[in-house]
Amino acid sequence: QKEVEQNSGPLSVPEGAIASLNCTYSDRGSQSFFWYRQYSGKSPELIMSIYSNGDKEDGRFTAQLNKASQYVSLLIRDSQPSDSATYLCAVERANNLFFGTGTRLTVIP
Amino acid sequence: DADVTQTPRNRITKTGKRIMLECSQTKGHDRMYWYRQDPGLGLRLIYYSFDVKDINKGEISDGYSVSRQAQAKFSLSLESAIPNQTALYFCATSAGGQGEQYFGPGTRLTVT
Repeated sequence: QKEVEQNSGPLSVPEGAIASLNCTYSDRGSQSFFWYRQYSGKSPELIMSIYSNGDKEDGRFTAQLNKASQYVSLLIRDSQPSDSATYLCAVERANNLFFGTGTRLTVIP
Repeated sequence: DADVTQTPRNRITKTGKRIMLECSQTKGHDRMYWYRQDPGLGLRLIYYSFDVKDINKGEISDGYSVSRQAQAKFSLSLESAIPNQTALYFCATSAGGQGEQYFGPGTRLTVT
């Protein structure tokens, strides 16, 4: 079982819709969770972090964490073409981050 | 100026050559990391360092070595490059604590 699993997509949504990205992880002891955005050929950029169960909102982004079910999700409201990128889920364990392979999101104008 | 810089940004080298990738940071972070990224495999940790005297192997350290020359500098070496080391290499830094990592712009390495 992989440490962190994501649906690779591609996920396509129309402009203005809500994009929902999901991630599951295997280590129940993980305490810190992150979402990174990566444009093609560029480096990962941290967009959200979440440490406790529930929702955390930052602008159009909402991260959701459910430790009992071992999943993390990212919602992007009012999706824009500029949100088209690969989104990486990262989970902390033993002072290191383990990354999923990413979900490619395309927002269609 | 970028907080985390990597040199070179692109490099083509031949099998068997030694190559060094360099990373510098102005964020003042103690922790530094080297990852490689391959299509379909995601980011994989090669080496990490929590301070100047601390070096640790990651998931895929075979064929690589590192040097932490100072708090701000962390270099990755391929002693004898092979084609399957062709990848995108990223350096990252972290202040520790809750673990946010910040990435450099990457080095695209091609071994022919």
